[in-house]
Amino acid sequence: DVKVTQSSRYLVKRTGEKVFLECVQDMDHENMFWYRQDPGLGLRLIYFSYDVKMKEKGDIPEGYSVSREKKERFSLILESASTNQTSMYLCATDATARKNYGYTFGSGTRLTVV
Amino acid sequence: AQSVTQLDSQVPVFEEAPVELRCNYSSSVSVYLFWYVQYPNQGLQLLLKYLSGSTLVKGINGFEAEFNKSQTSFHLRKPSVHISDTAEYFCAVSGVTGGGNKLTFGTGTQLKVEL
Repeated sequence: DVKVTQSSRYLVKRTGEKVFLECVQDMDHENMFWYRQDPGLGLRLIYFSYDVKMKEKGDIPEGYSVSREKKERFSLILESASTNQTSMYLCATDATARKNYGYTFGSGTRLTVV
Repeated sequence: AQSVTQLDSQVPVFEEAPVELRCNYSSSVSVYLFWYVQYPNQGLQLLLKYLSGSTLVKGINGFEAEFNKSQTSFHLRKPSVHISDTAEYFCAVSGVTGGGNKLTFGTGTQLKVEL
């Protein structure tokens, strides 16, 4: 089975800090995604990547950036954390861009910005 | 672009009763459809998916869903629920062409199974 590992389950950061959320997959999946999950809003796409050094904005990219230097690792960066970025962050992978077989998700990182 | 509507934010049901969680979608292109389940403090797990072929799709844990193109629906059903089915359920859609496998999710339905 594909395993998607998010480095932290819980994080508490201060307003204005630069925050890195890491996601690593152990299969050769092409696509990687970052979503945030908020009550009543479901999952919203922040950024995604089809390949190394490739990235595309999702629906809510403001305040975030991403990095994909290696195929297995996709990092989400909060340039200057704010309290409205307190949320559950979910990383997901998909095997190929040619057909959607369904994502594999990590366990999530619950970020609190104080 | 696609969108998903899950009309019910919460569905309470007694154990061993049947349940249906509703999902409607909107899309200008052909779609792939998915249901995911999320147990407390965990990531999402794929329950089932419709890619093509038979419109009745069977998934894990006894769940099934039926793709209805004319009604743009993909409702999730289980004939007899168990306490362990208590979780949040998300319907999701992606376009068959274009969009690069981006999934659009509904807002979720919290299924609460009671004794």
